[in-house]
Amino acid sequence: GENVEQHPSTLSVQEGDSAVIKCTYSDSASNYFPWYKQELGKGPQLIIDIRSNVGEKKDQRIAVTLNKTAKHFSLHITETQPEDSAVYFCAAKIRVGGGADGLTFGKGTHLIIQP
Amino acid sequence: DTGVSQNPRHKITKRGQNVTFRCDPISEHNRLYWYRQTLGQGPEFLTYFQNEAQLEKSRLLSDRFSAERPKGSFSTLEIQRTEQGDSAMYLCASSLLADTQYFGPGTRLTVL
Repeated sequence: GENVEQHPSTLSVQEGDSAVIKCTYSDSASNYFPWYKQELGKGPQLIIDIRSNVGEKKDQRIAVTLNKTAKHFSLHITETQPEDSAVYFCAAKIRVGGGADGLTFGKGTHLIIQP
Repeated sequence: DTGVSQNPRHKITKRGQNVTFRCDPISEHNRLYWYRQTLGQGPEFLTYFQNEAQLEKSRLLSDRFSAERPKGSFSTLEIQRTEQGDSAMYLCASSLLADTQYFGPGTRLTVL
């Protein structure tokens, strides 16, 4: 099955600096890669996603890049703000029997924005 | 609130008891997913419905776990004879398109 590795597990950056979180996946058939932000006691919130037919996608301060050949994708957050502090998860879509789809998640990165 | 809702938000039960959680997806979303999240881990896919059809069961953790979506709207996840290892956050997500899944706030289960 699909396996998603995520690094680093903890990332501390100064407010205003950039943060980069990296993920690798194992199944070359995976074709959809979302990123979620999870705050304490809440469910994951989709922040950006990318499909395998594009290499980069941006949404204001957030960008995601995808390298299909190397099977890795990254989240870039620029001009970090205190409210960016949270746990971030990458995921890859898996396809299981019967045409059903589920997401395989990485273990998460705890992003800490230092004031 | 038009997001995914889950009830209850917290459930404390004794080992051996049965528990049932409910998920109400975003209106008109035909796909509904259940995940489990343990402390320090990402969500783990359990099962999936398209309308009322359950298209994947093999990821359910044991035969003590079952899910239904009888009318293609809300869904329930039941755990029978709970064990301490079942303590986790149970998350529901829904989608209209094949890819984009929106998660609810989760139900935190504690088994004593």
